[in-house]
Amino acid sequence: QSALTQPRSVSGSPGQSVTISCTGTSSDVGGYIYVSWYQQHPGKAPKLMIYDVSKRPSGVPVRFSGSKSGNTASLSISGLQAEDEADYYCCSYTGSSTLVFGGGTKLTVL
Amino acid sequence: EVELVESGGGLVQPGGSLRLSCAASGFTFSSNWMDWVRQAPGKGLVWVSRISGDGSSTSYADSVKGRFTMSRDNPRNTVYLQMNSLRAEDTAVYYCARDYNGLSSWGQGTLVTVSS
Repeated sequence: QSALTQPRSVSGSPGQSVTISCTGTSSDVGGYIYVSWYQQHPGKAPKLMIYDVSKRPSGVPVRFSGSKSGNTASLSISGLQAEDEADYYCCSYTGSSTLVFGGGTKLTVL
Repeated sequence: EVELVESGGGLVQPGGSLRLSCAASGFTFSSNWMDWVRQAPGKGLVWVSRISGDGSSTSYADSVKGRFTMSRDNPRNTVYLQMNSLRAEDTAVYYCARDYNGLSSWGQGTLVTVSS
């Protein structure tokens, strides 16, 4: 159950676009459609932003999108806004009814 | 509206035990898998365990297997995490989450501190 690999930090200016990667293996990210992304502001509980690789829950802005290629999933945020500054975590099903998270990525809006 | 409320956290000595509870409302509880996720101070999210809707299936992270037990009481709309043989590295905020189309709803978390 090794953590998925995410960049420690990414940054962008308001209005720009950023992409956060999440690399696993064929036993997790590459093997299942059950990849999700979470946003966490300091001192708050995580919030689901993307599930099943690319689906957006109700209420999540269309600026947030997800994709996957091979063993790497990606979260893209377009039209960056100040309130997007947060930590982002990917999560994948790994088989045997277990889950694994990425190490997290700190997004800074410059 | 979905609501999850954790309780039971606190300070416990190494080797001790603690039972966390998570009371759920706003959805058909018995139809949903539920998970526990923890976050050590200043660190990332770590998945801990999950349980099926009827409680017949459970799974655990290797780091807690054999020490933690997850269970549920569907008439009470509550899930539990029994934590035994606690270690300093178990210190974290523990969140419960509804496992439906991702971890779609989260509680506010309860802090567990393992220290002498």
